[in-house]
Parts: sequence; C-alpha cells; structure tokens
Amino acid sequence: GENVEQHPSTLSVQEGDSAVIKCTYSDSASNYFPWYKQELGKRPQLIIDIRSNVGEKKDQRIAVTLNKTAKHFSLHITETQPEDSAVYFCAASKKGGSEKLVFGKGTKLTVNP
Amino acid sequence: EAGVTQSPTHLIKTRGQQATLRCSPISGHTSVYWYQQALGLGLQFLLWYDEGEERNRGNFPPRFSGRQFPNYSSELNVNALELEDSALYLCASSQTGMAPQHFGDGTRLSIL
Repeated sequence: GENVEQHPSTLSVQEGDSAVIKCTYSDSASNYFPWYKQELGKRPQLIIDIRSNVGEKKDQRIAVTLNKTAKHFSLHITETQPEDSAVYFCAASKKGGSEKLVFGKGTKLTVNP
Repeated sequence: EAGVTQSPTHLIKTRGQQATLRCSPISGHTSVYWYQQALGLGLQFLLWYDEGEERNRGNFPPRFSGRQFPNYSSELNVNALELEDSALYLCASSQTGMAPQHFGDGTRLSIL
C-alpha cells in the first residue's frame, strides 16, 4: 500500500525566514496531494493541495511543488510569521482525493519572533 | 455554513468497554472518513463511508466498525476497548468523489 515519508519532523526558523517541508510517496497511482495545518488542540485545516497534472501551485505565502518522476512534493512557506507555528501534515491519495488520505507523520514548525 | 461536527468531545472508558463516536458532515457532503490520531503516529485511515455504504477500511481489527445513516451522519463503534485505542478520532467529510476532505475537531478517547 501507499507510504508517505515526511521530513523534517521538527523545524525551527526565525520570523521572516522561509520554511520547507518535504514528502515522498510510494504509490505512483497517487494523484492528489493536500497539506494540512494543525494547531495545538485544533482540527487539521487544509492549507493547499495539488493534483498530479500540475507541477506547482501558490497561494500568497504558501506554495507546493510536485515532482511525479521522483515521487516527492514539498511545502514552501515564505516570510514566516509566529502564527505559522503548528504541525503540518502532507498526504497522498488516489482517484483525485476521493479515496482515503495516507498521511506523513507531521512536521512541527516553530517560528521564533 | 456549519463545519464537520463530532460528539462527544471527550470520552473516558475502561478496558473491555465499548465506545460510540458520532460525526455530522458538512451539509451536501455524502462521504465520511474516520481517522485515528495516536500520539506520534500521525493520522491513520480507519473507515470510509459514502452513500450509506462502507467503501474502504484501513488496517484495523474488526472491533472497529461503523455505519452511515440516511442523513449521511456516521457512527464509529469500537468494541472491547484496549489501552492502545487511546487517541484522537477525527472525522472528515467531502462531496462524493471529490476532494478536499474537511475535518472535525475530533473526539478524544481515553482508555483507563
């Protein structure tokens, strides 16, 4: 079955710096890749997603890149702010995301003021 | 528009008991997914219901079961509770055949 590896497990940056989180997936049939942000004690919230027919997607300070050949995708956060501090999860799914999500183990991002 | 709602917020049980967790999807969503978030293990897929039918289940024992009602709400039942079942159980919903999945706040299940 699908396996998603996520690195690093923890990431500490200074406010204003960029943060990059990387994920690799094993099943070449996966074609939908969302990223969720989970603040302490709160629900996971979708922050951005990408489908396999697209190589890059941006939404303000957040971008995701996908390399289908290498089976990896990355989350880029620019101009980080303290409120970006949270645990970020990547996930992969087949059939455009209508099936189960297979998650990475998460990255705890700390943005120091 | 109301989001995904789950109840109860917290549930405390002892080993061997049974637990029932409930989820109401976003209006218009027909797919409901259940995930277990145990400490240090990320989110693990449990069950997927769509249009009242179980579509897929993860690598969990049969004592984890559920159902989806005609109004698309869902129940997760866990029988013969074990200490390792202690976790946050998250429900997500989506429109049939379409991403994304939207999550509820979860039910924190503690086994004593």
